[in-house]
Parts: sequence; structure tokens; C-alpha cells
Amino acid sequence: QKEVEQNSGPLSVPEGAIASLNCTYSDRGSQSFFWYRQYSGKSPELIMFIYSNGDKEDGRFTAQLNKASQYVSLLIRDSQPSDSATYLCAVNRRDSGYGNKLVFGAGTILRVKS
Amino acid sequence: NAGVTQTPKFRILKIGQSMTLQCAQDMNHNYMYWYRQDPGMGLKLIYYSVGAGITDKGEVPNGYNVSRSTTEDFPLRLELAAPSQTSVYFCASSYSPDNEQFFGPGTRLTVL
Repeated sequence: QKEVEQNSGPLSVPEGAIASLNCTYSDRGSQSFFWYRQYSGKSPELIMFIYSNGDKEDGRFTAQLNKASQYVSLLIRDSQPSDSATYLCAVNRRDSGYGNKLVFGAGTILRVKS
Repeated sequence: NAGVTQTPKFRILKIGQSMTLQCAQDMNHNYMYWYRQDPGMGLKLIYYSVGAGITDKGEVPNGYNVSRSTTEDFPLRLELAAPSQTSVYFCASSYSPDNEQFFGPGTRLTVL
């Protein structure tokens, strides 16, 4: 089992629809969860982070966390063609050494069709 | 405020050559990281540092070395380049291990 799993997609949604991106993780002790967006040929940029169970909203984006099910998701409302990108889920893993490490999923490709 | 900068942007190496990828940040972050990203894959941690003089291995350290003599700079050294090291390399920094990581623009390396 991979530490952080995402459906590779592509997930295709029409413009204006809700895009739902999902991620599961294996370390029950993980406390911090991040969603990064990566455009083709560019570096990842942070979209959302969430630490507590429940929902966290920021504009058109909502992150949802369920630690009991080890599941984190990202909802994008009113999807726009500019949202077309790869979305990387990252989970903080307890580790030996000097502290926690971020473990990244392989990413989900999102395509928003106009 | 430039954030995280990386040089070079692109490089082609021959098998067996060596090179250093440069990374610098101006946010006074103690934590810095090197990742590699292969096509269709997530980011794999190569090495990280928690401050000047302190580094540790990540998931995929073989074939690489790092040093951290200042807070700002975190170079990655490739010795005896191999085709398996063809990848995109990202440097990142953060205030703490549980906070957002800021990424540089990446270096695309091809080993032929």
C-alpha cells in the first residue's frame, strides 16, 4: 500500500461544475495535510492546508479531512479552465531524524472543459 | 523577496559527469528540502536540512550529496551521473516541518 494514494485521472469536469479530488493515507499519526496545484512544467504551489477533522473553506476551494477514515479531499466549486492542472496531496508523516516529512501522492490530473 | 531560486533551469550531462544544483532562499527558513519528480510521479525526498550544518537523508539519497553552510543556500551535488538521475529537481523551504513548503522553479536534468 502506498503511503499517500490518489487517483491519477484524468478527471474531466465541465466549466462551472464541482471537481472532487480524493486522497487516502496510511499513517494514522499524520497531523498535517496539504493540497498543492502544479501546472505543467511548473513547480507546486499550495492551495489549501488542513489540520483538523471537518471542512475548511477558502474561496472556491474546500478541503475535507476525516482522520478516522484516513481520507482527505479537495472540492473545487465553479471549476474554471484555469483550474486544469495536477493536484498533489501531501501528508506529514512522523519520522525518525529531525522531524516530520511531507509524503506526496502521485497527483490527480484535472481537466476543466469550457 | 525572490523566495526560492534554483540554477540552472536545464542541464544535459553525460554519464559519469558531476554537477551541483544550486538552491537559495531569502525567507530565513531553517528547513530546506531537495525533491526529484519523475514523469507521472509525485515528489520524492532526496535530502533535507533543518539548519546550517545539519542535513539528513530522505527517501532516495543514493547518488547525491548535500551541504548546508549557510541558512540561505542548500546545494545538491550529483556525483557520477547516471541515466536514472534524469528527472526534474525541486528545492523547497519551510519555516517548520509542519508548515507550507515553498518551491523553487525546478531544474530539468537529462543524463545521456
